[in-house]
Amino acid sequence: DAGITQSPRHKVTETGTPVTLRCHQTENHRYMYWYRQDPGHGLRLIHYSYGVKDTDKGEVSDGYSVSRSKTEDFLLTLESATSSQTSVYFCANAPGTGASLAGNTDTQYFGPGTRLTVL
Amino acid sequence: SQKIEQNSEALNIQEGKTATLTCNYTNYSPAYLQWYRQDPGRGPVFLLLIRENEKEKRKERLKVTFDTTLKQSLFHITASQPADSATYLCALGTSSNTGKLIFGQGTTLQVKP
Repeated sequence: DAGITQSPRHKVTETGTPVTLRCHQTENHRYMYWYRQDPGHGLRLIHYSYGVKDTDKGEVSDGYSVSRSKTEDFLLTLESATSSQTSVYFCANAPGTGASLAGNTDTQYFGPGTRLTVL
Repeated sequence: SQKIEQNSEALNIQEGKTATLTCNYTNYSPAYLQWYRQDPGRGPVFLLLIRENEKEKRKERLKVTFDTTLKQSLFHITASQPADSATYLCALGTSSNTGKLIFGQGTTLQVKP
């Protein structure tokens, strides 16, 4: 699992409150990703990071922000949680050493997930 | 529009048989494709990678094919076992340096003893 931990593992919150999910890695991998997984949609990329302070949007970034001030930590923040953000959130990392003519083909290693419920 | 399709219905097979899972895509030009396994309540785990210039890859009882003309990948598990029961996800990657993947919804495989 490339040493990824996520915290909290479960959270229940109310609409309109801010929420921060933490992803911590021990491998110092370059790339980190945040996904959400919902029935009928599979895994969808929210934001990703390709280095400290380097982040970019994914497919479903509205309502989310991220920060990466250290190699080992990637934070996902819901500024004002909504019920539509109820989901299971997964963090993943990748070494960034799998570059080839086919681009970066790195395997992604996933954390255990955070189940977030917004009431 | 871009789409990745995996069988949404669960696949039920008998132990010892070969399981075949399908991943179809439209309006993508993937440089590579990965398959992951996901058990309930856990994160996905990488299984195999196949590049666009490769037709087939094998790893123990697993085999993946990649047909860029048909825009399809097939994932085979031979001599299936109840322990193979899980959800299997395909993921497409493009020729960029971000390593971003686009995941299918997954197909749940149930292997009965």
